[in-house]
Amino acid sequence: NAGVTQTPKFRVLKTGQSMTLLCAQDMNHEYMYWYRQDPGMGLRLIHYSVGEGTTAKGEVPDGYNVSRLKKQNFLLGLESAAPSQTSVYFCASINQREAFLEQYFGPGTRLTVT
Amino acid sequence: GQNIDQPTEMTATEGAIVQINCTYQTSGFNGLFWYQQHAGEAPTFLSYNVLDGLEEKGRFSSFLSRSKGYSYLLLKELQMKDSASYLCAVRDGVTGGGNKLTFGTGTQLKVEL
Repeated sequence: NAGVTQTPKFRVLKTGQSMTLLCAQDMNHEYMYWYRQDPGMGLRLIHYSVGEGTTAKGEVPDGYNVSRLKKQNFLLGLESAAPSQTSVYFCASINQREAFLEQYFGPGTRLTVT
Repeated sequence: GQNIDQPTEMTATEGAIVQINCTYQTSGFNGLFWYQQHAGEAPTFLSYNVLDGLEEKGRFSSFLSRSKGYSYLLLKELQMKDSASYLCAVRDGVTGGGNKLTFGTGTQLKVEL
């Protein structure tokens, strides 16, 4: 049971390049989330999904797209990267059948856009 | 929307007790979480409160007052490994809202000898 994993761990992009971040969980969780974390800003929700085939916008969705084609995977895409998207990206998931509905976080992806 | 406030930094001595406060103003409320985050790592769950009162878990306790929009995390017998950022997060109370969390900016705790 690997929990929540993220690929890649580190990436450097040039402005205008595109990339996809992969989040995978093997816990059969329904809900999945993408956050970004910047110094002094805390964790901010980008997009989330309440189940396979469904996605919704969070607090800061502009410049990002997501897809949830399979229950275990949640992809975050940057179509044209900008320096303002330099951040640490965390994925999280929750099991609706648990009492607390706590969020389990992946290890993070450190992205630098130059 | 949600607005969550917590101190930016705190310093305490090994073996002591420290209290980290969190205040919130929300349009809906369905529970408050505390997470611990060491530098360069992912947040990990510490505690959860949905009703008023104190929840105790070993050296860590968390308190909630819904009428005051206030919570605190109490850490006892501080250890050097407790040096970390502590994140307060409020869960959206809207039905069908996706169980979203809104996080505070975190309190960086430094434990000194």
